[in-house]
Amino acid sequence: QKEVEQNSGPLSVPEGAIASLNCTYSDRGSQSFFWYRQYSGKSPELIMFIYSNGDKEDGRFTAQLNKASQYVSLLIRDSQPSDSATYLCAVTEWDAGGTSYGKLTFGQGTILTVHP
Amino acid sequence: GAVVSQHPSWVICKSGTSVKIECRSLDFQATTMFWYRQFPKQSLMLMATSNEGSKATYEQGVEKDKFLINHASLTLSTLTVTSAHPEDSSFYICSARDRVGQIYSPLHFGNGTRLTVT
Repeated sequence: QKEVEQNSGPLSVPEGAIASLNCTYSDRGSQSFFWYRQYSGKSPELIMFIYSNGDKEDGRFTAQLNKASQYVSLLIRDSQPSDSATYLCAVTEWDAGGTSYGKLTFGQGTILTVHP
Repeated sequence: GAVVSQHPSWVICKSGTSVKIECRSLDFQATTMFWYRQFPKQSLMLMATSNEGSKATYEQGVEKDKFLINHASLTLSTLTVTSAHPEDSSFYICSARDRVGQIYSPLHFGNGTRLTVT
């Protein structure tokens, strides 16, 4: 069974600090990796996705992927109180036709709290 | 960006009744949509993959006769919870992806439907 593991937290960081969120996955066939943010009572919204080993930066967010270690992380720089949410890591296989692309396996999420 | 609209946002129904949830892709065509369910303080679990013009594919453990999925057009998928029971109370979220050429976008999620069965 494919598994995606996250520390459920809560992770508490002061405003302006770097928040580091981690995720490990069990299926070596996983090809695509996603970070979603979910506010309480709302549906997930996509923050970033990454396919290749290394770092990918988008504004205050950096995703890091290490397929050999089956590890993906999300760094949030200059954390703001508005970043307080549950962060979901999701992985998927991606075949040539993309037909399995939507079958995401989600981790249980990490609750992040950014305090002023 | 691609927008997925879900309706209703919340619904309360009595045990034994059926509830229909609609999921629409507003600015793109979606041959495939996905239905997820999320119980409180838990992560999202895929229920089924909805395919336009054909039968849905259900994940293991999901009752296809209870959760009826219809994907009659390229922009609309519906999930009907039949004979609902209190244990079906959950947050149901649909999602879809658009495509440019051979490149699929990541999933876009609808706003979700909070179902409460009394």
